Amino acid sequence: EAGVVQSPRYKIIEKKQPVAFWCNPISGHNTLYWYLQNLGQGPELLIRYENEEAVDDSQLPKDRFSAERLKGVDSTLKIQPAELGDSAVYLCASSPRLAGTGELFFGEGSRLTVL
Amino acid sequence: GDSVTQMEGPVTLSEEAFLTINCTYTATGYPSLFWYVQYPGEGLQLLLKATKADDKGSNKGFEATYRKETTSFHLEKGSVQVSDSAVYFCALSPNAGNNRKLIWGLGTSLAVNP
Repeated sequence: EAGVVQSPRYKIIEKKQPVAFWCNPISGHNTLYWYLQNLGQGPELLIRYENEEAVDDSQLPKDRFSAERLKGVDSTLKIQPAELGDSAVYLCASSPRLAGTGELFFGEGSRLTVL
Repeated sequence: GDSVTQMEGPVTLSEEAFLTINCTYTATGYPSLFWYVQYPGEGLQLLLKATKADDKGSNKGFEATYRKETTSFHLEKGSVQVSDSAVYFCALSPNAGNNRKLIWGLGTSLAVNP
């Protein structure tokens, strides 16, 4: 069974440029998460989807971040414009259960460097 | 609010040494508890879990027991290997309400030397 696939693995951009990350969850997983992970820190939830509905986006900085999960399968996270402080690893995870019971399957992450 | 506190790293051990990584939590009700592991260059993986008091989760030689009286979920392994070198995260999932957001510790880096 294929795992959660994320791309790109690495991205280097200059500040004020846009960037987008893509995630394909495990087949059949209804719940999809985007997390941000800074060096030496635990993951921080940005947004959680149940199918195509964003059910928790309270931590998403909506002035510059946006996400979508059309058709309830793969998802895209966008930052526009990027700031220096956005340098981090962006993790996508999926879960087969609604409401999140804690058993998440993670992708390898997309490491963003903003210069 | 709910929180997870785990011991600071890095932890450096020799191969075959005994490992303990402490994790304590604060939560209302009866949360589920988890240990996730992140090997170098890889994504986070669930290592083990426990969903009620006195449950013991185990996997790959690692164990952790859900202790409600001490609000702890310490990770242990009797004999570590070089391949166990990774960052370990303790996490909890509240079992109350509909928004079961995972609460994460800061992670503990483990380096095992041959």
